[in-house]
Amino acid sequence: QLQLQESGPGLVKPSETLSLTCTVSGGSISSTSHYWGWIRQPPGKGQEWIGSIYYSGSTYYNPSLNSRVTISVDTSKNQFFLKLRSVTAADTAVYFCARQQQLENCFDPWGQGTRVTVSS
Amino acid sequence: DIQMTQSPSSVSASVGDRVTITCRASQGISSWLAWYQQKPGKAPKLLIYAASSLQSGVPSRFSGSESGTDFTLTISSLQPEDFATYYCQQTKSFPLTFGGGTKVEIK
Repeated sequence: QLQLQESGPGLVKPSETLSLTCTVSGGSISSTSHYWGWIRQPPGKGQEWIGSIYYSGSTYYNPSLNSRVTISVDTSKNQFFLKLRSVTAADTAVYFCARQQQLENCFDPWGQGTRVTVSS
Repeated sequence: DIQMTQSPSSVSASVGDRVTITCRASQGISSWLAWYQQKPGKAPKLLIYAASSLQSGVPSRFSGSESGTDFTLTISSLQPEDFATYYCQQTKSFPLTFGGGTKVEIK
């Protein structure tokens, strides 16, 4: 059964870079049928898609975050990564990683999520 | 960007009730729509994709339909484990976007 697990600091200072790792187990990140995505959910709000990556390294980003986001992949470790630069309090959220169906563009399964707070 | 508008934002219902949630897309998305269920402190769970296709393992009391740019998630007979927040997501084009959510509460 495929599982995803987010990891990274729970507290980031304003203007610094948020860095998260998603570790995939029970399946290969080199699947040709899937992308791998990051989604976030600010407190009390709905989800916002951040971006997605294919095992080859091709990426799609949300234009609202495009200038600050980098998503990368390490197929040898079955991991993919999120970096969000110049964070502010508005970036405080629960961050999820998820497998994205290549054709349907829906997400299943999701990781449990990791809460990141931006505060000095 | 394609905007997704859900209604109502919350609904109170009893076990056994039929519950209907609506999601409207700001432009045509054909059948490119997914529905998720999220319980407090948990990750969303995919219920339906392609507007009406039931994800494997999801009970048949959940169903989805479409009419133009309006999409509906129906729970035919609400069960105790169905009290949660439901989100729609358009899957037609990037950036992928979600609705604001509908919270199904106990009446």
